[in-house]
This record gives sequence, structure tokens and C-alpha cells, in this order.
Amino acid sequence: AQSVTQPDIHITVSEGASLELRCNYSYGATPYLFWYVQSPGQGLQLLLKYFSGDTLVQGIKGFEAEFKRSQSSFNLRKPSVHWSDAAEYFCAVGVKSGTASKLTFGTGTRLQVTL
Amino acid sequence: NAGVTQTPKFQVLKTGQSMTLQCAQDMNHNSMYWYRQDPGMGLRLIYYSASEGTTDKGEVPNGYNVSRLNKREFSLRLESAAPSQTSVYFCASSEERRGPSSYEQYFGPGTRLTVT
Repeated sequence: AQSVTQPDIHITVSEGASLELRCNYSYGATPYLFWYVQSPGQGLQLLLKYFSGDTLVQGIKGFEAEFKRSQSSFNLRKPSVHWSDAAEYFCAVGVKSGTASKLTFGTGTRLQVTL
Repeated sequence: NAGVTQTPKFQVLKTGQSMTLQCAQDMNHNSMYWYRQDPGMGLRLIYYSASEGTTDKGEVPNGYNVSRLNKREFSLRLESAAPSQTSVYFCASSEERRGPSSYEQYFGPGTRLTVT
């Protein structure tokens, strides 16, 4: 069965520092991978997605992620974190089930940014 | 263009009470989803509707029912609320085209439900 693991529950970084959030997936076929961000009290917003092709994908707000098939990973990165990036981040894998296209989410990583 | 809207934003229920969470989307999407979010557990799928007139169970359907009223609206009903259903509930939609873009889901702002 498909699954997504985000090993870091909580990460704290200083503003201006670089960021890497880890995501590992388990899925038998070619995965469709997503990163979503949830600001406090808000819904989820899509940051970026990987379908195929170039393994380094760019997203909104200066984020990027790299798909590594050999490591079953899709880690999210940002070169310089801003205080407004404090939020919870979810990695997800797309799964086909009958006629529906569903997402399986990881448990999330909460990012705290110190000034 | 409001995207996905949910009502109410907050709700407090007593054990045994019933209520319906409403969701509507104005993007002409075919598929709609209901999730619950609990601390440390990410988002778990309760029910989904791949198209108007169809609904299917997700990962955690017990204690819930859904109705796909039309293409725009997808409601979630708690017939007899229990404290274990205290959670944040999110509705989402996707344009069920063929191919990978069909997995791209758009989320509403959520309903925070407390059952005492």
C-alpha cells in the first residue's frame, strides 16, 4: 500500500537560513508527488508538484523539491527562509483508486522560524 | 471566483447531536473530497465523490455520511456526534481529467468541530 513518511515533526530554523524538509514515499508505480503548505488556521495551498521529467521542480514562494527515485524521496528546499514561511508542510503522493484520483498525505512537518 | 467554500467555520456540538458540514466549489470540478485533520496524523480521507451522483468511502468513513447534491456541492453529515469526531474538517475538489493533473486538489478553509 502507498504511504508517505515525513520523519521530522517539528523543525526550527533562523530567518535567512536554508531549509530542507524530508519526505519519503512508498508506491509501486511512478509517483505523482506534491507539497502543500498550511498556514495557521488556513486550508492547504499547493506549493509544487512532480509528475515526470526534470527531477528538480520549482514552486511558489521560492520553494523547490527534488525527486530521487533511488531514495524514494521528494525533499522540499528553500535557500533562505523568511519569517512568513512558518507553517505546517505536508507531502503527498497521488494514488489511483477506481475512478478517483486520491492523495495520501504524510503527517506533516511544522516549521518554526526564529528572528 | 471563491474556489472551495465551507460552512460553518466553527461548531461546538454535544455528544449525540447531529449536524451537516457544507462544501461548495465554483471551479466546475468533477471530484470532491472530505478529510479530517488531527494532530500528528496528517489528513485522512473520509469520503470522496469522483463525479456527480457517486460517493465512496475513504480511509475513515465510520460515523459519517455524505451527499453529492449536485456538481458544486458535497456535504458531510454526522448523525450522532462523538468526542472522537472532534477535528478540523477540510473539503477539497479536483478537476477529474485524465492524467496527473487530476490529482491536484484545491482545499477549502476548513471547519473546526468540537464535540463535548
